[in-house]
Amino acid sequence: GQSLEQPSEVTAVEGAIVQINCTYQTSGFYGLSWYQQHDGGAPTFLSYNALDGLEETGRFSSFLSRSDSYGYLLLQELQMKDSASYFCAVRDDRDQTGANNLFFGTGTRLTVIP
Amino acid sequence: KAGVTQTPRYLIKTRGQQVTLSCSPISGHRSVSWYQQTPGQGLQFLFEYFSETQRNKGNFPGRFSGRQFSNSRSEMNVSTLELGDSALYLCASSWQGSGEQYFGPGTRLTVT
Repeated sequence: GQSLEQPSEVTAVEGAIVQINCTYQTSGFYGLSWYQQHDGGAPTFLSYNALDGLEETGRFSSFLSRSDSYGYLLLQELQMKDSASYFCAVRDDRDQTGANNLFFGTGTRLTVIP
Repeated sequence: KAGVTQTPRYLIKTRGQQVTLSCSPISGHRSVSWYQQTPGQGLQFLFEYFSETQRNKGNFPGRFSGRQFSNSRSEMNVSTLELGDSALYLCASSWQGSGEQYFGPGTRLTVT
């Protein structure tokens, strides 16, 4: 099976930087994704790492270390609108079919305060 | 480009009934995945379809089923509804072999 661990809650100040960590265990790991979900909304894609290293997209960056089964999402210059839940998800393709099934962590609720 | 659409958006059903939910993916996306989201269990993978074939299935009972049509539209069906099936059902479409999925707004199912 799969298991993912991420902190349940994080609070940070507007303008600051916050890092949300994710550790995972899975047998058919093919990549780590990050999604944002506002209350009442659907998850929206933020980033996907299939290889080790840092991917940067605007204020958001995501990092992956396959050897450590670990990744993180870094949010810079926090804005009030960044208050949301953030989910890491592993793409499991143990049968190498190109499957897109994602297994999600329980989510980190980020609260940005003035 | 139009996003993923799901119908209906809200549904109220009675225990024992069945329900069919529909999902239209982004044009060109051939992979459609379904997820169940509840406060207690979070986001859980139900199944994925690609080219009208179910490629993977999560740990859900056989009451949960789905299909995909030649135009990539997908439906999921839940038979003999139980109270615990009350949830937000989300579908997501993507290119093959990608962790980048685009979610629809979901169908909020309430079973009474």
